[in-house]
Amino acid sequence: GAVVSQHPSWVICKSGTSVKIECRSLDFQATTMFWYRQFPKQSLMLMATSNEGSKATYEQGVEKDKFLINHASLTLSTLTVTSAHPEDSSFYICSAKGTSGRTHISDTQYFGPGTRLTVL
Amino acid sequence: GQNIDQPTEMTATEGAIVQINCTYQTSGFNGLFWYQQHAGEAPTFLSYNVLDGLEEKGRFSSFLSRSKGYSYLLLKELQMKDSASYLCAVMDSNYQLIWGAGTKLIIKP
Repeated sequence: GAVVSQHPSWVICKSGTSVKIECRSLDFQATTMFWYRQFPKQSLMLMATSNEGSKATYEQGVEKDKFLINHASLTLSTLTVTSAHPEDSSFYICSAKGTSGRTHISDTQYFGPGTRLTVL
Repeated sequence: GQNIDQPTEMTATEGAIVQINCTYQTSGFNGLFWYQQHAGEAPTFLSYNVLDGLEEKGRFSSFLSRSKGYSYLLLKELQMKDSASYLCAVMDSNYQLIWGAGTKLIIKP
């Protein structure tokens, strides 16, 4: 249980284009989804937290107009990198937190496999 | 401020035992998580501790002392596939996860 998928696994795009990444919880309902970015050999950096049906909460220094997050349902959140530039090249990982009555499951974040973005 | 400390890198021998420590200072505490992350992959959940004591799960065990702000992850009978980064994360009073920088574990034959 607690499987999270992410699509695409990797994407290469030209500078100035927009890229959409999907994150789905496959076997549970995710009230909260998180988007992280990780540069090589560095720790996870939380970009934003999104709750179903409401606006995402962005971490300091993350441009909300550049990284558009939509959490339209309890199983799907999307991150759109708008007007991507080479410095946006990174490993983007989503995670989801469930709604099970068991505290352990509802507090645990389960990660998608990640999306490697390369902007040329 | 909030802070999670864990060693940057550790080396151990195949078949041996290794203990990865994590100390934390956070505003509130609602549990401590350990994740494993292989290079180029996303983290996978290993364990969750919210009460003091040792939680054993196969070759992996996790210990927590809330009064000391301390946890460790114990890996027994090390295998080459255990080479990975191990991330310690604490959930604070706002149910936000505070992440450590991770410990890179290198297993040698």
